[in-house]
Amino acid sequence: SQKIEQNSEALNIQEGKTATLTCNYTNYSPAYLQWYRQDPGRGPVFLLLIRENEKEKRKERLKVTFDTTLKQSLFHITASQPADSATYLCALPSGGSYIPTFGRGTSLIVHP
Amino acid sequence: DVKVTQSSRYLVKRTGEKVFLECVQDMDHENMFWYRQDPGLGLRLIYFSYDVKMKEKGDIPEGYSVSREKKERFSLILESASTNQTSMYLCASSPMTGSIVSPLHFGNGTRLTVT
Repeated sequence: SQKIEQNSEALNIQEGKTATLTCNYTNYSPAYLQWYRQDPGRGPVFLLLIRENEKEKRKERLKVTFDTTLKQSLFHITASQPADSATYLCALPSGGSYIPTFGRGTSLIVHP
Repeated sequence: DVKVTQSSRYLVKRTGEKVFLECVQDMDHENMFWYRQDPGLGLRLIYFSYDVKMKEKGDIPEGYSVSREKKERFSLILESASTNQTSMYLCASSPMTGSIVSPLHFGNGTRLTVT
């Protein structure tokens, strides 16, 4: 089955900079990949979905890329703000099922 | 907006008790899911259901069962709670679409402590 890897170390950046988070997977390329945001004590909230035939997807200050050769997705937040501080999870189907399996998430801390 | 409501935010139960976690969604979604989330382990799928009275095991079903008698409600049952079931439990729903890649809508979780 797929192994999904997200950096377990928190990413600390200054307000206004671009945050880049990484999601790597180990086996076959999934049909899609999703990104979620999770705040402490809350459930994850869906942000973006990118399909295997798409290279890039944008939504306001968010951008997701999907490189099936590198088996990697990058999640960018431009002009980051302290309110962007949260844990970001990637999710993709695994083991022949359409149901998403989640990575462990990366914590982003944006300093004012 | 889709609302997924979990009946309790915090729950404390004793070892051996039968525990019911309830989840209700208001958007007529076909799919419903139960995950647990533990530090360092991320979200792990316990059970899911794609229709009333239908259920499928996820990655860690042992010690759990589920019930889906109505489309909007999906219950997780711990038949005999154990301390290793202390965790954050998250319910989610999604519509069944042709591409079956619909995003999941999560509730805010139930933090269960088994003593």
